[in-house]
Amino acid sequence: KAGVTQTPRYLIKTRGQQVTLSCSPISGHRSVSWYQQTPGQGLQFLFEYFSETQRNKGNFPGRFSGRQFSNSRSEMNVSTLELGDSALYLCASSSPLGNEQFFGPGTRLTVL
Amino acid sequence: AQSVTQLGSHVSVSEGALVLLRCNYSSSVPPYLFWYVQYPNQGLQLLLKYTTGATLVKGINGFEAEFKKSETSFHLTKPSAHMSDAAEYFCAVSDPPYDKVIFGPGTSLSVIP
Repeated sequence: KAGVTQTPRYLIKTRGQQVTLSCSPISGHRSVSWYQQTPGQGLQFLFEYFSETQRNKGNFPGRFSGRQFSNSRSEMNVSTLELGDSALYLCASSSPLGNEQFFGPGTRLTVL
Repeated sequence: AQSVTQLGSHVSVSEGALVLLRCNYSSSVPPYLFWYVQYPNQGLQLLLKYTTGATLVKGINGFEAEFKKSETSFHLTKPSAHMSDAAEYFCAVSDPPYDKVIFGPGTSLSVIP
């Protein structure tokens, strides 16, 4: 069974640009969560989608948004990038019973 | 509100020595508790989890953790450290049903040969 895949793995953008990250969950998983990891703030929850609906949201500004498609693949978008958005963005999919999350390798975003 | 604290941002142990990584949490309801490991430039891998039932939980790579409700703790242990255990370890908590996970700040484990 294939794991969680994230594309791209690395990304370099400049301030003011926008970026879209993609996550494909494990087959059969309908819940996808996104996290931001930085040295200063650690791992922070961004949002969670289940069956194309945002079910939970963390404390991030509106520049951070996401969506989920009917095949459970998810995208997150960050608009008007700031230097502080440089981070590792992790995606996780949850098993049908909802008691275990499987993480992808992450997308490392660098904002110059 | 849920929160997780991990005592010690960095822990060093000798190869073969006991590994003890501390985690305390706060939650308004009986929580789900997790330990994850992260190797450099990789995502997170689940070591073990507590949801319900037996309070002593065994995970992968010889790790185990015990849920102590009275102490609101979920410390991670391994009897004998191996060089390959050097990594970042994160304790995490969520309120059932499982959807939003709150992570602790992490503990970097070094293993000295």
